[in-house]
Amino acid sequence: SQTIHQWPATLVQPVGSPLSLECTVEGTSNPNLYWYRQAAGRGLQLLFYSVGIGQISSEVPQNLSASRPQDRQFILSSKKLLLSDSGFYLCAWSARPGLAGAGELFFGEGSRLTVL
Amino acid sequence: RKEVEQDPGPFNVPEGATVAFNCTYSNSASQSFFWYRQDCRKEPKLLMSVYSSGNEDGRFTAQLNRASQYISLLIRDSKLSDSATYLCAVRGGGSYIPTFGRGTSLIVHP
Repeated sequence: SQTIHQWPATLVQPVGSPLSLECTVEGTSNPNLYWYRQAAGRGLQLLFYSVGIGQISSEVPQNLSASRPQDRQFILSSKKLLLSDSGFYLCAWSARPGLAGAGELFFGEGSRLTVL
Repeated sequence: RKEVEQDPGPFNVPEGATVAFNCTYSNSASQSFFWYRQDCRKEPKLLMSVYSSGNEDGRFTAQLNRASQYISLLIRDSKLSDSATYLCAVRGGGSYIPTFGRGTSLIVHP
């Protein structure tokens, strides 16, 4: 069966510090991968998505970046965090369009970031 | 107009009640529809996909109304454990990436 893990689960970072969140998927190949952010009391905001290794699309201009060095690995980074980067970050995967279950997203456990 | 809209609630209902949520979408070319459940401070989890003919999973029934562009989720015999936020997601109409609503909060009390 497919599993998705992301880490760290919780982190508190000072303004201006770097960030690295990692996400890995097991049990599937060539997944679409996504990074979402959910601010307190807000909806899910799509940050990045990837359809393959090295292929990243950004939905919202910001000081964050994403990379996909391997098929089932997705990394969210920042060189300098802002206060507004605080939130709940969620990695997700889905099957490719045209495959059974395409469109259904499966989320990791989330990473709760507080920038002070 | 937002692409996907939900009443944020909260819907406060007693155990055993029947409760229904709607979710409206703006893109008439949308093709796939989903309901997710999100517990407090946890990740969303897929509850059910919504099929054109409607579908049922135990106490949960999902319906699609294409003419009026909304989907619904009906929960019968509410349990305390049903307390959560219910997110709808809509996909299609030129994008394979689902767009999420902000969610509807449900509180089931004794």
